[in-house]
Amino acid sequence: DGGITQSPKYLFRKEGQNVTLSCEQNLNHDAMYWYRQDPGQGLRLIYYSQIVNDFQKGDIAEGYSVSREKKESFPLTVTSAQKNPTAFYLCATTSGSTDTQYFGPGTRLTVL
Amino acid sequence: AQSVAQPEDQVNVAEGNPLTVKCTYSVSGNPYLFWYVQYPNRGLQFLLKYITGDNLVKGSYGFEAEFNKSQTSFHLKKPSALVSDSALYFCAVRDGGTGRRALTFGSGTRLQVQP
Repeated sequence: DGGITQSPKYLFRKEGQNVTLSCEQNLNHDAMYWYRQDPGQGLRLIYYSQIVNDFQKGDIAEGYSVSREKKESFPLTVTSAQKNPTAFYLCATTSGSTDTQYFGPGTRLTVL
Repeated sequence: AQSVAQPEDQVNVAEGNPLTVKCTYSVSGNPYLFWYVQYPNRGLQFLLKYITGDNLVKGSYGFEAEFNKSQTSFHLKKPSALVSDSALYFCAVRDGGTGRRALTFGSGTRLQVQP
């Protein structure tokens, strides 16, 4: 997990609230990703960014938004439009030189 | 479109015995294949990858995987399992011919090593 930090580790949200998950990296990697993990379903791609000030929708982007104003940071906002947000959220970066993706420690979001 | 199948939800093996975790993939271009391990409430840790070259890839903690193009498989193996290998294992693929570097993951296989 070294080099990628996610906060908070646990997050509780009331229905109708927007919440923002933080992802910071000091690896100097250009590409960053957000995945969602549900039991028995593996990881699904929410959004990704290949460079600062640019990002693309992944496979399950509805109800989520992101920004990439700095190379080091890729925050994810879970909006009230996301109907089933309870999940484990993982941020990742890719090393351009090794083509290997590295993951942060994750944030567990629970809707009350 | 690309996809990964991990046909076993759980694999049970006795400590000291060899283990195999199966993975098959589908991708239109050249496959870049990866194995990751996840411990409870943690992020994924990189184990090994195949991009090109030797079909037998060696990785961390004594794990290895064999790329088989004709069978579109990339099974994870270890000659002698340890209790500490018990975890959730994910196989992932991406198309090496595209600019999108996001991975497609299998549903995961839980490995249980009994003492």
